[in-house]
Amino acid sequence: GAVVSQHPSRVICKSGTSVKIECRSLDFQATTMFWYRQFPKQSLMLMATSNEGSKATYEQGVEKDKFLINHASLTLSTLTVTSAHPEDSSFYICSAFSTPEAFFGQGTRLTVV
Amino acid sequence: AQSVAQPEDQVNVAEGNPLTVKCTYSVSGNPYLFWYVQYPNRGLQFLLKYITGDNLVKGSYGFEAEFNKSQTSFHLKKPSALVSDSALYFCAVRDLRDNNDMRFGAGTRLTVKP
Repeated sequence: GAVVSQHPSRVICKSGTSVKIECRSLDFQATTMFWYRQFPKQSLMLMATSNEGSKATYEQGVEKDKFLINHASLTLSTLTVTSAHPEDSSFYICSAFSTPEAFFGQGTRLTVV
Repeated sequence: AQSVAQPEDQVNVAEGNPLTVKCTYSVSGNPYLFWYVQYPNRGLQFLLKYITGDNLVKGSYGFEAEFNKSQTSFHLKKPSALVSDSALYFCAVRDLRDNNDMRFGAGTRLTVKP
């Protein structure tokens, strides 16, 4: 099946710094990718839809200036958490569709200290 | 917009017993339904999906699910649970007529006791 690779799997950063998370579709092209955030013992919450070659679509309540999304190619989307704070600590997961099925990255555990 | 409900936060079963994890959905068009499993600090692993065809869908690791249109349900089942099945299970729905994204249920933590 299709593979989505997400990197890094874990990152610890200092408060105020920025962190970039990469999501790659390895054997298929994805014009659309999705970024989710998961709090402990909770479900996945859609943050934004990343569209190749155009601006991302953010869900209500998600700060687009804080969570920068770039989808520069058909196989790569990046999420940059800018000026990270401890409350941004979470598990972030990306996904891409190889219609009609969604494939997920391994997730990134972000810890802001 | 589509939505999914998993009414049980936690399901506990004894090893060897059958298990059921419940899911109901709401979509305006035809649903694409999925079940995923998540182990600690890992991404989601695909178990099975319903797109069209037979209402009973068989998936990975001996799991199956039955699509019931009249009850708008898609319960996950397994005839004989294993301790290694203990994990977090998510039901998800996608409506291609709508946003094209996937919506998840809140998740159900399955614990299988020896």
